[in-house]
Amino acid sequence: DVQMTQSPSSLSASVGDRVTITCQASQDISNYLNWYQQKPGKAPKLLIYDASNLKTGVPSRFSGSGSGTDFTFTINSLQPEDVATYFCQQYENLPFTFGPGTNVDIK
Amino acid sequence: QVQLQESGPGLVKPSQTLSLTCTVSGGSISSGSYYWSWIRQPAGKGLEWIGRIYTSGSTNYNPSLKSRVTISIDTSKNQFSLKLSSVTAADTAVYYCARTDRGSNFDYWGKGTLVTVSS
Repeated sequence: DVQMTQSPSSLSASVGDRVTITCQASQDISNYLNWYQQKPGKAPKLLIYDASNLKTGVPSRFSGSGSGTDFTFTINSLQPEDVATYFCQQYENLPFTFGPGTNVDIK
Repeated sequence: QVQLQESGPGLVKPSQTLSLTCTVSGGSISSGSYYWSWIRQPAGKGLEWIGRIYTSGSTNYNPSLKSRVTISIDTSKNQFSLKLSSVTAADTAVYYCARTDRGSNFDYWGKGTLVTVSS
């Protein structure tokens, strides 16, 4: 299985800050990476697919980049409604695997 | 707007079989080139992909669960189902069903249902 790691595991930032989360795969997964947002008690929501493509309807302050084994997820100008856990997910190989998540909170 | 809803018992005894159904509304389960997946999440932990099914009935399962998992589809009822046999406390989790775009992108999710394995 492809192992996914994320850092940091949690972070606290102020409204308006730029927030960056990294995701690393245990092997080359090209750009076969998605990012999800999960708010407490809710199902995850797909934000970014193919590492850098924003899903329709997702605010443009969210972005993703990277390929191979190293990926970055960025929130430009953190908003209160962005408080959530963010997961990466690879789909280069079955079984699909997720990162452990990054909890984002407001300072 | 596609909507998914999980249903099934919230409590299952150890060694028994967990059975869940996902009902799809707002569109036909057979339309488009979508897979349909099950994903679970133990409390306070990460996400684990269980498996997926195509409208043809073709399936892929997570090898870690493959010996215990069966996913089926009933296009006439716009539903797909999960069976997980020989459950233990480690199978206690919130179970989600999800539409799987391009076979890999979970773009619509159910709200999730908590299944507890306990005697």
